[in-house]
Amino acid sequence: EPEVTQTPSHQVTQMGQEVILRCVPISNHLYFYWYRQILGQKVEFLVSFYNNEISEKSEIFDDQFSVERPDGSNFTLKIRSTKLEDSAMYFCASSEARGRGELFFGEGSRLTVL
Amino acid sequence: GENVEQHPSTLSVQEGDSAVIKCTYSDSASNYFPWYKQELGKRPQLIIDIRSNVGEKKDQRIAVTLNKTAKHFSLHITETQPEDSAVYFCAASRDDKIIFGKGTRLHILP
Repeated sequence: EPEVTQTPSHQVTQMGQEVILRCVPISNHLYFYWYRQILGQKVEFLVSFYNNEISEKSEIFDDQFSVERPDGSNFTLKIRSTKLEDSAMYFCASSEARGRGELFFGEGSRLTVL
Repeated sequence: GENVEQHPSTLSVQEGDSAVIKCTYSDSASNYFPWYKQELGKRPQLIIDIRSNVGEKKDQRIAVTLNKTAKHFSLHITETQPEDSAVYFCAASRDDKIIFGKGTRLHILP
């Protein structure tokens, strides 16, 4: 069964450093998302991406965040200058349909900012 | 923007009993309402969803009801089993943004 894959599974970084989280969505999906989940809390929407551009973003997704689909398979989330409060599990997800179809989540990338 | 409230935050039920989790949403334009189950340390996975043109949907022991007028929807799990223990998230969606509730931690007691 096809699934969304994410790397790395865990990254530890110093405050102020840049991190890039990578995702490979399911191949025939057109809509891509990043969510984050602070430990024990809810899954928070960050950004959605379709047709090589951001379609929606939340207030969390400020100028330090960016997303890119550098080739036909990868979908990346970059955090330019990490803060302590960026420590969370970051989930990538993809979907066949726009906002009305099942989100398939990856296993997540745990980011720890020291 | 959309705001999804979910209650209760924690729910303990005896194995075999039913569990009900309730959610409300704020954006009347939301038209898709999925429920996700997240086991400890795992990714969220869809268990059931309902679209705005339907009032109720059932899949074996799981059912979801939607009241568009009141802007609330509920998850019902009957004949609960130990493997139902997890965190359950409701969500509401319009267009490209699926907004999740805060989650309900369901404990199934032996």
